[in-house]
Amino acid sequence: NAGVMQNPRHLVRRRGQEARLRCSPMKGHSHVYWYRQLPEEGLKFMVYLQKENIIDESGMPKERFSAEFPKEGPSILRIQQVVRGDSAAYFCASSPTGQASSPLHFGNGTRLTVT
Amino acid sequence: GENVEQHPSTLSVQEGDSAVIKCTYSDSASNYFPWYKQELGKRPQLIIDIRSNVGEKKDQRIAVTLNKTAKHFSLHITETQPEDSAVYFCAASTNTGNQFYFGTGTSLTVIP
Repeated sequence: NAGVMQNPRHLVRRRGQEARLRCSPMKGHSHVYWYRQLPEEGLKFMVYLQKENIIDESGMPKERFSAEFPKEGPSILRIQQVVRGDSAAYFCASSPTGQASSPLHFGNGTRLTVT
Repeated sequence: GENVEQHPSTLSVQEGDSAVIKCTYSDSASNYFPWYKQELGKRPQLIIDIRSNVGEKKDQRIAVTLNKTAKHFSLHITETQPEDSAVYFCAASTNTGNQFYFGTGTSLTVIP
């Protein structure tokens, strides 16, 4: 089992460009969570998705951010017109059931730097 | 929504001593409490978890206790080793919720 795979590991974008972060959940997991982590801070929930559905996006900014988890392929977190404040580590986690009593399995994260 | 507070934010202990990290939560419906360890530049990894029908759980040098009445839970690491140095996060969630609510983390340093 390869675990949760995220790519790229590091991403550098200039202000105004788009950032696209990918996450493939663990085999057998159909529930994906995205978290943002600023330096020396905790994990902030952004969005929770199941295949083809956004279940909870209450932690994701309304503008410039979007997420999807298509029937085929990885989950994508898209940030349009990036700003310096978007610089952070973005972690994806997956769960087999989506029930909150099942632990989350995290990927290695994508470290986004906006110059 | 749920609010999880974690203390202390930093903790230094001598190798061999014990370390205790405490978390409180606000939502009495929370019933699952995992702890994650994150080494520098790496992913958070689950180290132990506890459900609300249990008061204590132990795994070798790591133990977690839960007090539902007081709404707090703690991580205990005994006989600490330098490789225990990392940031530790507590979290809380409910069966009906979609989110895991994380604490702000404790940076543990074990001094050789």
